[in-house]
Amino acid sequence: KNEVEQSPQNLTAQEGEFITINCSYSVGISALHWLQQHPGGGIVSLFMLSSGKKKHGRLIATINIQEKHSSLHITASHPRDSAVYICAGNYGNQFYFGTGTSLTVIP
Amino acid sequence: NAGVTQTPKFQVLKTGQSMTLQCAQDMNHNSMYWYRQDPGMGLRLIYYSASEGTTDKGEVPNGYNVSRLNKREFSLRLESAAPSQTSVYFCASSVSLNTEAFFGQGTRLTVV
Repeated sequence: KNEVEQSPQNLTAQEGEFITINCSYSVGISALHWLQQHPGGGIVSLFMLSSGKKKHGRLIATINIQEKHSSLHITASHPRDSAVYICAGNYGNQFYFGTGTSLTVIP
Repeated sequence: NAGVTQTPKFQVLKTGQSMTLQCAQDMNHNSMYWYRQDPGMGLRLIYYSASEGTTDKGEVPNGYNVSRLNKREFSLRLESAAPSQTSVYFCASSVSLNTEAFFGQGTRLTVV
């Protein structure tokens, strides 16, 4: 089975801090996705990456194909960023998901 | 913009009962998916449909069946529910396989 692993599992930050969530994966990935799951349970797609870097507002996602590693960064974190962040890798026709990073941003 | 709509949102079943989870998308997506989410295990793919008229097994298909009724609708059926099927179920859709997925709000199913 191709694994997708995330770290840390839990993260608490003060409002305004710069946050990094890491994701590592096995060979064969064609794309990597970052998802956000809100406390109410809904899941939203944030990024899909196959190379380089993408930015959307305060969120930045990077991927290093050689190192099989991706990071999600949140600049100037805010309590509304509190959620579970999930990375997922495309292997063939399927997605495999990490177990998520639970982020809490304290005012 | 409805996106991906799942029904019901909550359901309690007795062991051995059957039920169908409904999913519909209004984005003209070709691919649809059913996942389950369990604590500590992340999302796992149950079945997917690459396009209308096709369905394939995912990582954990046992105990489930699916129907791609048309391009919009993809249903998941539990023929004889078991407590191990207690989970949160998510439907998702995408333009094609391996592109950005859009998720429904989830169905919390408890089997007692």
